[in-house]
Amino acid sequence: GQNIDQPTEMTATEGAIVQINCTYQTSGFNGLFWYQQHAGEAPTFLSYNVLDGLEEKGRFSSFLSRSKGYSYLLLKELQMKDSASYLCAVRGVDSNYQLIWGAGTKLIIKP
Amino acid sequence: NAGVTQTPKFRILKIGQSMTLQCTQDMNHNYMYWYRQDPGMGLKLIYYSVGAGITDKGEVPNGYNVSRSTTEDFPLRLELAAPSQTSVYFCASIQGGSETQYFGPGTRLLVL
Repeated sequence: GQNIDQPTEMTATEGAIVQINCTYQTSGFNGLFWYQQHAGEAPTFLSYNVLDGLEEKGRFSSFLSRSKGYSYLLLKELQMKDSASYLCAVRGVDSNYQLIWGAGTKLIIKP
Repeated sequence: NAGVTQTPKFRILKIGQSMTLQCTQDMNHNYMYWYRQDPGMGLKLIYYSVGAGITDKGEVPNGYNVSRSTTEDFPLRLELAAPSQTSVYFCASIQGGSETQYFGPGTRLLVL
C-alpha cells in the first residue's frame, strides 16, 4: 500500500530550530514535496526534492533519502508566523502529477 | 492573474440537497484536481482532470461528479448531500512539467 507518516503535532520556541520528519512507502517515486498550511487557509508550496540531499531555501531546508524513504523539513530562526501545519506529499511515477498526502504536522511556536 | 478561484467560500446544505462547487484558474494549466480535507487529516483526491474533456476518479469519488468543458473551469457536483460530505474542499491546478500545485482558497461545506 501507499503510506506517508509524519508526527501529528510538534511544539518549538521562537528563535529555535525544529525538524519535521516524514517517512513514506509508495509505489514509485517522482519527488517529495513540503507544503505549509495556515489554519483556515489553502496549502502553499515550500519545497521539492527529487534527488538525495539537502535543498536550502532561506530559513527552510528540506532533506531527502530515497533509499530510506525519508525526508525532513528543517525550520531555522523560528518566528510566530511559522505556526502552521506542514504537509508532506509524494508524487508517484506516471501519476498525472497526482500527490499522495500525509496528514500534516501541526507546529506550535511558543514565545 | 487571479490564480485559482473557488466559489462559494462557505455553504450549509440540508441532507439530500445538491450543489455545485465552482473552480476556475486563469493560468492555462492543463491539470486540475479536487481535494477534500477533513479536520486533522491530509488531502484526499476526489477527481482530477488532465485536460478539457478528460476526467478521472481519485481516491474518494463516491457521491461526487465533475466535468471539464474548458481548460479554465472544473466544477464539482454533489448530488444528494450527506453529513459525511461535511469538509473543506480545495481545487488545485498545475502545468505539466512544473513542480508546484496552486490551490484555491477552499470551500467550507456543512451538511446538516
